[in-house]
Amino acid sequence: GENVEQHPSTLSVQEGDSAVIKCTYSDSASNYFPWYKQELGKRPQLIIDIRSNVGEKKDQRIAVTLNKTAKHFSLHITETQPEDSAVYFCAAGTYYGQNFVFGPGTRLSVLP
Amino acid sequence: EPEVTQTPSHQVTQMGQEVILRCVPISNHLYFYWYRQILGQKVEFLVSFYNNEISEKSEIFDDQFSVERPDGSNFTLKIRSTKLEDSAMYFCASSTQHPTSGNTDTQYFGPGTRLTVL
Repeated sequence: GENVEQHPSTLSVQEGDSAVIKCTYSDSASNYFPWYKQELGKRPQLIIDIRSNVGEKKDQRIAVTLNKTAKHFSLHITETQPEDSAVYFCAAGTYYGQNFVFGPGTRLSVLP
Repeated sequence: EPEVTQTPSHQVTQMGQEVILRCVPISNHLYFYWYRQILGQKVEFLVSFYNNEISEKSEIFDDQFSVERPDGSNFTLKIRSTKLEDSAMYFCASSTQHPTSGNTDTQYFGPGTRLTVL
């Protein structure tokens, strides 16, 4: 089955700097890769996703890149703000809304 | 904006008791899911449900677990005989998809039910 690894487990950046979180997956059949942000005690919320026919996707300060050959994908947050502080989870799965496997999470702290 | 809702927000039960966690998915969604998250750990898939039957389930989803869509709006997770290790946050999620376009599979999570087994 699918296995998703995520690095780093914790990340501290100064406000205004960029943050990069990387994930690898094992199942070449996976073709949908969402990223979720989870604030303390709250539900995971989708922030961006990418499908296997796309190499890069950007939404304002957030971007995701995908390398299907190497089976890795990354989340990039630019101009970080204190409210970006949260745990970020990557996930891998298939188009048809089935079993997502989540990475272990990255705790991002943005220091003012 | 429509949201997935879950009740109760916190459920405390004794080991061996049955619990039912309730979810109301977004109304036009077709796929429904349960995930759990043990405190401080990652989100783990339990089961997906489509067209009134289980589509896929994980190893965690053993015979102690069952899901049901008793009416047109609710989606429930039942744990027959709770164990201490069932203590976790349980998230319901739903998504809609269009098979012809394969375009929409974003899963929207509910706020979760914190289950505490004593």
